[in-house]
Amino acid sequence: GQNIDQPTEMTATEGAIVQINCTYQTSGFNGLFWYQQHAGEAPTFLSYNVLDGLEEKGRFSSFLSRSKGYSYLLLKELQMKDSASYLCAGITGGGNKLTFGTGTQLKVEL
Amino acid sequence: GAVVSQHPSRVICKSGTSVKIECRSLDFQATTMFWYRQFPKQSLMLMATSNEGSKATYEQGVEKDKFLINHASLTLSTLTVTSAHPEDSSFYICSAMSPDSRQPYGYTFGSGTRLTVV
Repeated sequence: GQNIDQPTEMTATEGAIVQINCTYQTSGFNGLFWYQQHAGEAPTFLSYNVLDGLEEKGRFSSFLSRSKGYSYLLLKELQMKDSASYLCAGITGGGNKLTFGTGTQLKVEL
Repeated sequence: GAVVSQHPSRVICKSGTSVKIECRSLDFQATTMFWYRQFPKQSLMLMATSNEGSKATYEQGVEKDKFLINHASLTLSTLTVTSAHPEDSSFYICSAMSPDSRQPYGYTFGSGTRLTVV
């Protein structure tokens, strides 16, 4: 099965860079997602990694190391609107169920 | 892009009554939909996988007789919370596997339903 762990809360300053880590224990791993969720809203897709390495998309980048069972989401040039919950999620090979991590509540301050 | 419509967005019901939540894929066919529950400040917990034309697959610990799932068409799945109690108050979100060029497995989420049982 999958155990996906993230820090519960993080605080960062506007304009700074923050890295949100995610560790997982899974068999048959087949890809890791990052989602952003504002309170009371649906998650929105940020990134998907299936191979090792860094995927960069504007202010958001995501990294994956399959051998270490480790991923991180990097947010640059933080803005107040980036205050949200960030969820990593994984799917197992051959299946299609998306299992979410514990979620990280990010607070961006002035 | 793919859109999933979830209705209602908010519902308040009395304890002991049943509530139906609908999840529709608007511009694509969804043979598989998923239902999640999210308590305040917690992550999404998968409740069940809804398969068109067959019985839903429930996650361990989820009562199938309490959370009835029907997926009678390729565009509609419903979740009925039967005999609701205050502890069932939560945010319920559906998602559907959808065509999306950004990701091999496209998951599109509904906007969620805030259920309050009084």
